[in-house]
Amino acid sequence: LAKTTQPISMDSYEGQEVNITCSHNNIATNDYITWYQQFPSQGPRFIIQGYKTKVTNEVASLFIPADRKSSTLSLPRVSLSDTAVYYCLVLSGNTGKLIFGQGTTLQVKP
Amino acid sequence: DADVTQTPRNRITKTGKRIMLECSQTKGHDRMYWYRQDPGLGLRLIYYSFDVKDINKGEISDGYSVSRQAQAKFSLSLESAIPNQTALYFCATSVDEGAQETQYFGPGTRLLVL
Repeated sequence: LAKTTQPISMDSYEGQEVNITCSHNNIATNDYITWYQQFPSQGPRFIIQGYKTKVTNEVASLFIPADRKSSTLSLPRVSLSDTAVYYCLVLSGNTGKLIFGQGTTLQVKP
Repeated sequence: DADVTQTPRNRITKTGKRIMLECSQTKGHDRMYWYRQDPGLGLRLIYYSFDVKDINKGEISDGYSVSRQAQAKFSLSLESAIPNQTALYFCATSVDEGAQETQYFGPGTRLLVL
């Protein structure tokens, strides 16, 4: 399973765009990149998933360069309610096993 | 109603006691998982089950056991609880989607072992 590296913490202000980058140098050909969000005392929640280039949904965008060794989660115009821990994961094939690192703690300030 | 439920939500027990944490799901998923989370850390996989007859150890299975009573139910037991098992426990479910699999998490059980 590919190991991921992301910043431990980030600060932002309401209304700003936040970009969280994740490194996954050992990603394999068939792996997908998935991001989860976790609020305090709640279970993680799926945000977005992608394989290459760009994926966008109602919550976020995910940018993946051609070499796929990194990915960037982009949250447009964050609000205080976006304060959470964001996990970048790489999922391989049929294992079904998610490996969660420490994630990135995003603190949005007024 | 929540798709993945966990009971109890909070539990205090004493060292040496046997306790069971229960997870139920209405999503119809075959795959179920148990994770623990310690303060400031990510989640670590304890056990997982891909169907009713399948049980697999995860990263940190020592001191734990599980039972998959039905497709919708997956229980985690601590045979003899110890203080370092104090943590937040999450159950999750999924369907087999290969590398695109998405897991759905329950609300968690906060366990304190004295």
